[in-house]
Amino acid sequence: AQKITQTQPGMFVQEKEAVTLDCTYDTSDQSYGLFWYKQPSSGEMIFLIYQGSYDEQNATEGRYSLNFQKARKSANLVISASQLGDSAMYFCAMTLNRDDKIIFGKGTRLHILP
Amino acid sequence: KAGVTQTPRYLIKTRGQQVTLSCSPISGHRSVSWYQQTPGQGLQFLFEYFSETQRNKGNFPGRFSGRQFSNSRSEMNVSTLELGDSALYLCASSLGGRGLAGSPADIGQYFGPGTRLTVT
Repeated sequence: AQKITQTQPGMFVQEKEAVTLDCTYDTSDQSYGLFWYKQPSSGEMIFLIYQGSYDEQNATEGRYSLNFQKARKSANLVISASQLGDSAMYFCAMTLNRDDKIIFGKGTRLHILP
Repeated sequence: KAGVTQTPRYLIKTRGQQVTLSCSPISGHRSVSWYQQTPGQGLQFLFEYFSETQRNKGNFPGRFSGRQFSNSRSEMNVSTLELGDSALYLCASSLGGRGLAGSPADIGQYFGPGTRLTVT
């Protein structure tokens, strides 16, 4: 069965510091996609970044980068130069090639301190 | 392009009643997925519709049903509401193609703001 594990329930980080949110995944499929979503207190899920299992380079989107280590089955999100507006819940998620369902981890609540 | 819209945003219902939630996807997107989010269970997949057909289904009882119209708008219905159905219901739209080749925008699911359902 497919599974996403996020081991950090909560994190406190000083503004302007870089932060790494951990994510490990489990699947026997060779083809899969990994996502990170941000959920502010308003509730809307915001799509941040995507990494395909066959992509050789780590995905980057502005201040977000995904540290993809396929052999270790990890897909950590790195946020550079954190801002107060980054305070939110962050979800790591996975989709498999054969269907469109997304499996989510339990999330990490990130608090950025001024 | 307008984003995903969901109506209503908030809803209070009594146990035993039924409820219908609506989701309008991003223009051009043909797939709509529904998720339930609760503090205890996290985000759980309900079902996915593509071109008016249910293409995938999660592990929820038959009280949860949905449909999709020819304009890709989707509705989700919950009958005989239970207290445990209180949750944030999120819908997500995507192009719906199979496979993982393409840009993140082609593959990603884009979520609406959700409908917060409270069952009393």
